Order: sequence, then structure tokens, then C-alpha cells
Amino acid sequence: EVELLESGGGLVQPGGSLRLSCAASGFSFRTYAMSWVRQAPGKGLEWVSAITGSGGNTYHADSVEGRFTVSRDNSKNTLFLQMDSLRPGDTAVYYCARRGIPGAFDLWGRGTIVTVSP
Amino acid sequence: IVLTQSPGTLSLSPGDRATLSCRASQSVYNDYLAWYQQKPGQAPRLLIYGASDRATGIPDRFSGSRSGTDFTLTISRLEPEDFAVYYCQQYGTSPPWTFGQGTKVEIK
Repeated sequence: EVELLESGGGLVQPGGSLRLSCAASGFSFRTYAMSWVRQAPGKGLEWVSAITGSGGNTYHADSVEGRFTVSRDNSKNTLFLQMDSLRPGDTAVYYCARRGIPGAFDLWGRGTIVTVSP
Repeated sequence: IVLTQSPGTLSLSPGDRATLSCRASQSVYNDYLAWYQQKPGQAPRLLIYGASDRATGIPDRFSGSRSGTDFTLTISRLEPEDFAVYYCQQYGTSPPWTFGQGTKVEIK
């Protein structure tokens, strides 16, 4: 079955760190660029980070630039998001999403919840 | 590119036609505009890509179109399972990729 499954969310204090994972199955993971998208409680969708299939190029939204780092391990079919210097405004459900062809996000995980609070 | 969706909420009955708007602040490269549906507690689901192409498995009551920088998602006859929040997104060749703020389609 074609699937994305996020993990690693939880409660963390402001200034803390968290590492999210997204396990892919059922498709050729290395072929696809991947992204992280988040959704704050009761709010809309916000693109956060992206990485090319090879992992050679990464991109981050201005709101997380310098604090978040996206990476991937194609040998383990896994996408990561290292989140440092977390702020209460980073509280959200974090989804991983596959950038299909020609570029829309055609496969999404169920999400993992990140809560940043004292 | 800023995407502005309207209306914020659409109150309709099953069987009605729904027309959702997404206005881009500038031209969207190659019509790289998608629509997603999101139900409470669920991840978004891709409905339309390339402004007018239906994703795999999406019923033909969903259609998309463009006029200039205005994009429209039309649901020809609302089914009970169509009541949800809809987002547009531009996904040009390089980030940042932006979403509209969403339109909620609720039961009248």
C-alpha cells in the first residue's frame, strides 16, 4: 500500500528541539521530492520545508529558516524534519507530503502533533 | 504569490452547485494550481492539479478552471461527503509554495 506515516511529535518547551520522521512505503521513495506542511490549531495549511529526491537541494519557509532542517535517508525510505529553537507559534499538526508529477502534493501522511508550551 | 480564497464559508444544501474562488496576486506559472479537500481530523486530499485536471479517483462532479489569475473549483452537485474545507495551492517550479486560507463548505 502506498503510504506515508509520520512520527516524533510531542510536547516540548520553548527553545527546545524535536525530530520528526516520515516513513514511506509502497512507492519508489528516492524518485520523489518531499515536503513538510503544517497546520496550526484551527488554521490553514502552511508549507514548511522541501527536499529533492536525491536530497541534494533543500528549501525552507522564511518562518522556519535557520531553525528547521529537512533531510532524508533514501536507503530507509524516510524523511526527517529537525526542529530547533522551537517557539509556541510552531505548535501545529505536521504533515509530510509527496510532491507528485508535475508537482502537486498527491500523497499525504496522517500527521503528527507538535505542541510547544512551557 | 498570495492566494486569496472566497468566500470564507459557503452554506449550501446537498444537490446544490458549489463555486469556490481562488485569486492569485500574480500569474501562476504553467497553471500550477491545485485544489485540496480536508475533512475534520484528516489530512488534505488532492482533488485538482494543473488548474483543471482531476487527480486519480476524484469524481467528475469536481472541476477546475482558470480565467486570468482567477481560479475556480466547481462541485456540480454536492454530495453529503463533500462538506469540508477546500484549499487552493500554487506549486510552481521552486518554493515557497503557498496555500489559500481555505473555504469551508457547510450544510445549510
